[in-house]
Amino acid sequence: EVQVVESGGGLVQPGRSLRLSCAASGFTFDDYAMHWVRQAPGKGLEWVSGITWNSGSLDYADSVKGRFTISRDNARNSLYLQMNSLRAEDTALYYCAKDGAYSNMYYSYMDVWGKGTSVTVSS
Amino acid sequence: EIVLTQSPGTLSLSPGERGTLSCRASQSVSSRYLAWYQQKPGQAPRLLIYGASSRATGIPDRFSGSGSGTDFTLTISRLEPEDFAVYYCQQYGRSLTFGGGTKVENK
Repeated sequence: EVQVVESGGGLVQPGRSLRLSCAASGFTFDDYAMHWVRQAPGKGLEWVSGITWNSGSLDYADSVKGRFTISRDNARNSLYLQMNSLRAEDTALYYCAKDGAYSNMYYSYMDVWGKGTSVTVSS
Repeated sequence: EIVLTQSPGTLSLSPGERGTLSCRASQSVSSRYLAWYQQKPGQAPRLLIYGASSRATGIPDRFSGSGSGTDFTLTISRLEPEDFAVYYCQQYGRSLTFGGGTKVENK
C-alpha cells in the first residue's frame, strides 16, 4: 500500500523549533518530489514547501521562507521539515504529500497524502 | 504568485443534482496545470483531477474537469451522498497555490 505517515507535531512556544518527519512506503521514494502542506484550524490548504526527487530544488512559501527547511533522506524513505522561529500563525495540521509526477524536475499535483501531524504554537 | 479564486463559497444541492464549481486564476495557468481535490471533515485531501481534466485513479466518472487559461470548472454530474465535502483547486504552473475552497452542502 502506498502511504506516507507524518510525526513530530506537538505544542511548542513561540520562537522555538520543531522538526516534522514523514515516513514513506509502498512506492520508490527517490523517484518523486515531496511536499509539506498545512491547514490552519477551520481554514483552507496552504502549500508550505517542496523538494525535488534528488534534493536539487528546495522551495518555500513566502510565509515560511528563512524559517523552515525541507530535507529528505532517500536511503531512509523519509522527508523532514525543520521549523524554526515558530509563530502563532504556524499553528496548523501539517500534511506530507507525494508529488504525482515521476522523476520530474518541477512540482505538480499531489496524489498521496498522509493524515497529518498537528502543530500548535502557543505560550 | 498566481491567486486562485473559487466560487461559490458554498453550494447547496440535493443528491442527484448537478454541481458546477469554478476556479479562476489571477494569471494564465500554463499547460492546464490545474488539479482538484476533495476533503471531507477530519480527512486528508484526496486528488480528483489533474491536468485540468484527467481523473485520478479510482475517481468515479461523475467527476469531470474542464477549462484552460484562467478559468477552470469541476463538474459533479449527479451528486451522491458521499460527495458532500469541500473542494479545492490547485495550480502547479508557476510555484504551487491552492484556492480557498468551495463547500458543497446538502440542501
